[in-house]
Amino acid sequence: AQKITQTQPGMFVQEKEAVTLDCTYDTSDQSYGLFWYKQPSSGEMIFLIYQGSYDEQNATEGRYSLNFQKARKSANLVISASQLGDSAMYFCAMREGQGSASKIIFGSGTRLSIRP
Amino acid sequence: SQTIHQWPATLVQPVGSPLSLECTVEGTSNPNLYWYRQAAGRGLQLLFYSVGIGQISSEVPQNLSASRPQDRQFILSSKKLLLSDSGFYLCAWASSNTGELFFGEGSRLTVL
Repeated sequence: AQKITQTQPGMFVQEKEAVTLDCTYDTSDQSYGLFWYKQPSSGEMIFLIYQGSYDEQNATEGRYSLNFQKARKSANLVISASQLGDSAMYFCAMREGQGSASKIIFGSGTRLSIRP
Repeated sequence: SQTIHQWPATLVQPVGSPLSLECTVEGTSNPNLYWYRQAAGRGLQLLFYSVGIGQISSEVPQNLSASRPQDRQFILSSKKLLLSDSGFYLCAWASSNTGELFFGEGSRLTVL
């Protein structure tokens, strides 16, 4: 069975500091994908970053990087130089398997608040 | 380019009334489609996903149902709404490469 765990319901970070949002997953599949999404108060879901299970390099997208520890089954999101606009809910998600018939499940989320 | 739309954006329904939320994708063919529900301040719960016309997988037993009458149309329905059906419903389609989800604007349902 799939499982995604985000253990930090809420976090407060000072502006311009780096922040790490934790995510652990559980799967018996060898092929899977990991995602992070941002959800501001407007409700829209914004894709941030993707890591495939066979990718050897950690994914990076601008200020976002994914710290992929395959043996530990963790996929933490690191945001460098946080900004006020980073305040939002952040969700970790996992796709198990490839292609069709792949379901994608989400963690419970972390609410990040950036202090000026 | 691909787009996804869902409607209505907001609705208030009495307990016991029916429900129909519609989702349409444009610019792609044979997409994997998903319905999620998000309770206030909570995560996304996968309700249904579909890999093709008439093919529906249900993740959570409940009084909701889904149908896919056309390749790019995904409908979420209920015959009789419960108070616990209130929430933010999101439709999404998945990229065939990475599986990245592209979400619609969401439909906020309040059951009174």
